[in-house]
Amino acid sequence: SQELEQSPQSLIVQEGKNLTINCTSSKTLYGLYWYKQKYGEGLIFLMMLQKGGEEKSHEKITAKLDEKKQQSSLHITASQPSHAGIYLCGAGNQAGTALIFGKGTTLSVSS
Amino acid sequence: DTGVSQDPRHKITKRGQNVTFRCDPISEHNRLYWYRQTLGQGPEFLTYFQNEAQLEKSRLLSDRFSAERPKGSFSTLEIQRTEQGDSAMYLCASSTPGLAGGGFFGPGTRLTVL
Repeated sequence: SQELEQSPQSLIVQEGKNLTINCTSSKTLYGLYWYKQKYGEGLIFLMMLQKGGEEKSHEKITAKLDEKKQQSSLHITASQPSHAGIYLCGAGNQAGTALIFGKGTTLSVSS
Repeated sequence: DTGVSQDPRHKITKRGQNVTFRCDPISEHNRLYWYRQTLGQGPEFLTYFQNEAQLEKSRLLSDRFSAERPKGSFSTLEIQRTEQGDSAMYLCASSTPGLAGGGFFGPGTRLTVL
């Protein structure tokens, strides 16, 4: 079965610093989703990447997909306290009927 | 609010009781998913509906679990004879075919089984 490994597991950065979260799949990626979750709440959709080399940005968050490496990265520029939360990557199964998620990366931003 | 809604947001029940959760997806979304999330883990897929048809079920969905989407709009997830291991956040998501497998999640229902 497919597994997604996220690194790092947790991250503490100072406000204003840049950071990167990685998501590596054990199998071929058929669409890669990034979500943000506040503790005890639902998931907020950030971005979906489908094609190798694709890169998307939303405000100060950029995600890239490297299909060959079966990997995606999420980069936050000039982090703010509002960026704090749990970042989850999810990979679509081949049938497009479900997502398999990583365990998440917990981000704390100190002011 | 035109997002995915779930009710109730929290449910505390005693072991052995039955519970039912409701999910109202975004109105134009024909795909609906149920996931379960435990502390420190990512969500795990439970089941998927396209319109009113339940097309996929995870092996996590034991015979004590049943899900319906009778008119292709809202969905219910019922757990019979709850066990302490059922304690988790139950998440519903909906999407159009372009966001297959994922899409927009609701706020979740947190179930605690005593």
